[in-house]
Amino acid sequence: AQRVTQPEKLLSVFKGAPVELKCNYSYSGSPELFWYVQYSRQRLQLLLRHISRESIKGFTADLNKGETSFHLKKPFAQEEDSAMYYCALNASSGSARQLTFGSGTQLTVLP
Amino acid sequence: KAGVTQTPRYLIKTRGQQVTLSCSPISGHRSVSWYQQTPGQGLQFLFEYFSETQRNKGNFPGRFSGRQFSNSRSEMNVSTLELGDSALYLCASSPSVTSDTQYFGPGTRLTVL
Repeated sequence: AQRVTQPEKLLSVFKGAPVELKCNYSYSGSPELFWYVQYSRQRLQLLLRHISRESIKGFTADLNKGETSFHLKKPFAQEEDSAMYYCALNASSGSARQLTFGSGTQLTVLP
Repeated sequence: KAGVTQTPRYLIKTRGQQVTLSCSPISGHRSVSWYQQTPGQGLQFLFEYFSETQRNKGNFPGRFSGRQFSNSRSEMNVSTLELGDSALYLCASSPSVTSDTQYFGPGTRLTVL
């Protein structure tokens, strides 16, 4: 069975400091990994996905199959980055999708 | 385009009752997924529909069911409500089964008394 672990429930950093949100997964198949973000009073939205290898709002995430990790990083945190971040794994069977979410990390960027 | 809409936004029911929640996907989106979010269990996948067919189902009891209509709107039904069913129910839509991007609705907050 697939599993996504986000070891930090809460994470606080100062503005301008680097930030790393950890995500580890277990899955026997070929993983599709995502980071979703939920800003205060807003709906859950996709931040980035490993397959596109893109940088969104300064965030990047690299899939490390050896360490089964997909950590989210940003070199200089901004106050507007404060939000709840969820790592998710698509345990797909054929073309069906089934997102398995981690428990989330609440990031607070302090002024 | 209008985003995913869910109705009602809030609902209060008592144990033993049943409830139906509705989700209207983004126009043109044909895939709809449902998730349950609770403080204890987090976000858990319920089921996914595409072209009126259930394609995938999570590990939930048979009391949880859903359907999708020809216009891609979806409903989920929970029968014989239990206190533990109190949760935020999220719906997400996607253009197709090959798209890996899901767009989430605001959720329906269900409280079971």
